[in-house]
Amino acid sequence: GENVEQHPSTLSVQEGDSAVIKCTYSDSASNYFPWYKQELGKGPQLIIDIRSNVGEKKDQRIAVTLNKTAKHFSLHITETQPEDSAVYFCAAGGNNRLAFGKGNQVVVIP
Amino acid sequence: EAEVAQSPRYKITEKSQAVAFWCDPISGHATLYWYRQILGQGPELLVQFQDESVVDDSQLPKDRFSAERLKGVDSTLKIQPAELGDSAMYLCATGGAGGNTGELFFGEGSRLTVL
Repeated sequence: GENVEQHPSTLSVQEGDSAVIKCTYSDSASNYFPWYKQELGKGPQLIIDIRSNVGEKKDQRIAVTLNKTAKHFSLHITETQPEDSAVYFCAAGGNNRLAFGKGNQVVVIP
Repeated sequence: EAEVAQSPRYKITEKSQAVAFWCDPISGHATLYWYRQILGQGPELLVQFQDESVVDDSQLPKDRFSAERLKGVDSTLKIQPAELGDSAMYLCATGGAGGNTGELFFGEGSRLTVL
């Protein structure tokens, strides 16, 4: 089955700087790559996703890039704000099945 | 805004006891998932339903876990007997009808502590 790995496990950034989280996946058949944000005590929420026919997608301060050849995709957060502090999960899959990474703790320092 | 409802939010039980979690999906969502999230880890799929049918329960420890989705609407996940290693957050997620994988909507989760 699909195996998803995230790096780094923890990332601290100064407010206003950019944050980048990288994920690698193992199954070349995967065609859907979402990113979820989980705040303390809450369930994960989708923040952005990308499909395999697209290399990059942007939504305001958030962007995702996909490299299918290398089987990795990245989340980019620009102009970070304190409310961006959370755990971010990447996932990969298709056919209504997703495998999640272990999560990345992002801390934005005011 | 429609939400996935889960209850209870918190459950403390002693090992060997039975526990049950309930999920009410967003109306019209055919696909329902139960995930287990151990502290510091990502969600791991336990069982997937399409309407009332189980699509994937390969990771469900069937000797102690059971799940059902009667009438293809709300769902119940049961653990009997609970073990110390079952302490985790149990997340329910739902998605739209079949076809391409799309957004999963998660509930707030049910946090289980087994003493």
